[in-house]
Amino acid sequence: QSALTQPASVSGSPGQSITISCTGTSSDVGSYNLVSWYQQHPGKAPKLMIYEVSKRPSGVSNRFSGSKSGNTASLTISGLQAEDEADYYCCSYAGSSTLVFGTGTKVTVL
Amino acid sequence: QVQLQESGPGLVKPSETLSLTCTVSGGSISSYYWSWIRQPAGKGLEWIGRIYTSGSTNYNPSLKSRVTMSVDTSKNQFSLKLSSVTAADTAVYYCARGLRFGEFDYWGQGTLVTVSS
Repeated sequence: QSALTQPASVSGSPGQSITISCTGTSSDVGSYNLVSWYQQHPGKAPKLMIYEVSKRPSGVSNRFSGSKSGNTASLTISGLQAEDEADYYCCSYAGSSTLVFGTGTKVTVL
Repeated sequence: QVQLQESGPGLVKPSETLSLTCTVSGGSISSYYWSWIRQPAGKGLEWIGRIYTSGSTNYNPSLKSRVTMSVDTSKNQFSLKLSSVTAADTAVYYCARGLRFGEFDYWGQGTLVTVSS
């Protein structure tokens, strides 16, 4: 059970859109629509931003959207804002009642 | 508003057992899955395992041989024990409430546990 692969860093200017990829295998991301995304600011606990691939919890901005194709899930942040600067982690069910997180992506707002 | 608070020793000696408790307030512990997740300094998140209020557990295969989780519904608490710790177990440990698998909607603030003699 290996960590899902994410780019180490992604950056964009305010107002732009960025996409973070999360690549797994046919045993996790590719087999289940149980991919979630978390935002983590320094020194804080992670915050749920997307669950079940593309669903947004109440209170999360609609600037955040999720999708999946094959073994790769993606998080898109549109209309990038300074407050979006944080670390982002994907998470997927990996079968046999286990869970795996991604390696994490640092988002920088230029 | 549901709140979670981790508690336990911040320093554990190598080869000993790490013990943490998570206290849930503002809501019932019943009918949810409760997970432990850890994060070494500057690194990513690692799911340790989860427990349902019935006591049913699921653990990360890489830690399964060393992990024990328990729940005390009368105290609205659940606990983690990790045995035979090494420096590699040094991390911030979070407790979290789980809905569907991977969907953690409430988190504790995290507690740093350092393994050192």
